[in-house]
Amino acid sequence: DAKTTQPNSMESNEEEPVHLPCNHSTISGTDYIHWYRQLPSQGPEYVIHGLTSNVNNRMASLAIAEDRKSSTLILHRATLRDAAVYYCILRPSGNTPLVFGKGTRLSVIA
Amino acid sequence: DVKVTQSSRYLVKRTGEKVFLECVQDMDHENMFWYRQDPGLGLRLIYFSYDVKMKEKGDIPEGYSVSREKKERFSLILESASTNQTSMYLCASSYPPGDEQYFGPGTRLTVT
Repeated sequence: DAKTTQPNSMESNEEEPVHLPCNHSTISGTDYIHWYRQLPSQGPEYVIHGLTSNVNNRMASLAIAEDRKSSTLILHRATLRDAAVYYCILRPSGNTPLVFGKGTRLSVIA
Repeated sequence: DVKVTQSSRYLVKRTGEKVFLECVQDMDHENMFWYRQDPGLGLRLIYFSYDVKMKEKGDIPEGYSVSREKKERFSLILESASTNQTSMYLCASSYPPGDEQYFGPGTRLTVT
């Protein structure tokens, strides 16, 4: 499985943008980049995914580098409820399961 | 809203007992998954299923089996529970190709 590298932890102030980085230098051409997050005492939840182009949805934006060796999840305005572990996952095309890494623990300070 | 439910939030069992963890989803998803989550090890895939009566081994299937007799239900079975199976167990489901997986709330299993 292609590997991802994320910082163990990050901190952000409330109401400021947050940029969560992910390196995936061994990504293959057909790997999709997925982001999930896990709030305290809950199961993970889907945030966003993309292949080559930047993606936006109601939760976040995903910026993908032109060479696809890295990506950034952008939370435009962090709230206390965004404190969670954020997982960056590479998933090959086709019906394949997700393989989770350690993720980044995001703390949001009021 | 998609709902994935797990039979118990907390479960305490004794070593050697047979344990059943049940997962039900209400969105007619073909894919279902079982993970366990441990501190420092993250989420690890135990088994998954792409259809009724089908099953595939994940990364850590030893000591576990699964059953999928109906599309909406995926059961994880610990044939003879051991203390090293004390963990948080998470079930998930998705449509193929699995772009969005929906997770249940988890079952925290303690084996004493």
